[in-house]
Amino acid sequence: DTGVSQDPRHKITKRGQNVTFRCDPISEHNRLYWYRQTLGQGPEFLTYFQNEAQLEKSRLLSDRFSAERPKGSFSTLEIQRTEQGDSAMYLCASEGEGVYGYTFGSGTRLTVV
Amino acid sequence: AQTVTQSQPEMSVQEAETVTLSCTYDTSESDYYLFWYKQPPSRQMILVIRQEAYKQQNATENRFSVNFQKAAKSFSLKISDSQLGDAAMYFCAYRSAIWTDKLIFGTGTRLQVFP
Repeated sequence: DTGVSQDPRHKITKRGQNVTFRCDPISEHNRLYWYRQTLGQGPEFLTYFQNEAQLEKSRLLSDRFSAERPKGSFSTLEIQRTEQGDSAMYLCASEGEGVYGYTFGSGTRLTVV
Repeated sequence: AQTVTQSQPEMSVQEAETVTLSCTYDTSESDYYLFWYKQPPSRQMILVIRQEAYKQQNATENRFSVNFQKAAKSFSLKISDSQLGDAAMYFCAYRSAIWTDKLIFGTGTRLQVFP
């Protein structure tokens, strides 16, 4: 098992374009989380899934953001009509049964120009 | 709402010495978990140590240990025998044991280790 994978590592997009990020969790992990991290700040929660069910969404997640986890495996996070304020590192993490702490991916750095 | 505060934006330590990073939190819950995560310059967050609030015994993981003071809502991380590889951002995080699985992070402390 290679851990949590995120793709792409970096994304530069023009304002107004749509972007989609992918996260592949550790295969036996049923919970998957998305966080956003801006420079000099701690990660902020966006949303999380247990299997394919989206259990919680942050108020930070405007209607331009949508996340899916079809079949309870990989997940995608889409941002529509990107704005400069969306520039950040988007982190994915997964966790198995119990509360042992997340395993994070390396993140996708989004730059909106 | 729960909050996590890390009041030390930066700390430094000499190799082989001991350093303590501070964290306080605010919650009305009695059952929760606390974590310290390390984020090296490569930016992948790594779990350092975990503490369950119902356990009085402080968690330890090799050179890393915590001082958990539940009444004071304080959760500090002690790094003993500091190594150059300990240089990173360190984040304290809170997690409810009942209502949600999400983590609430502090703003982090950047640790520098000097040879």
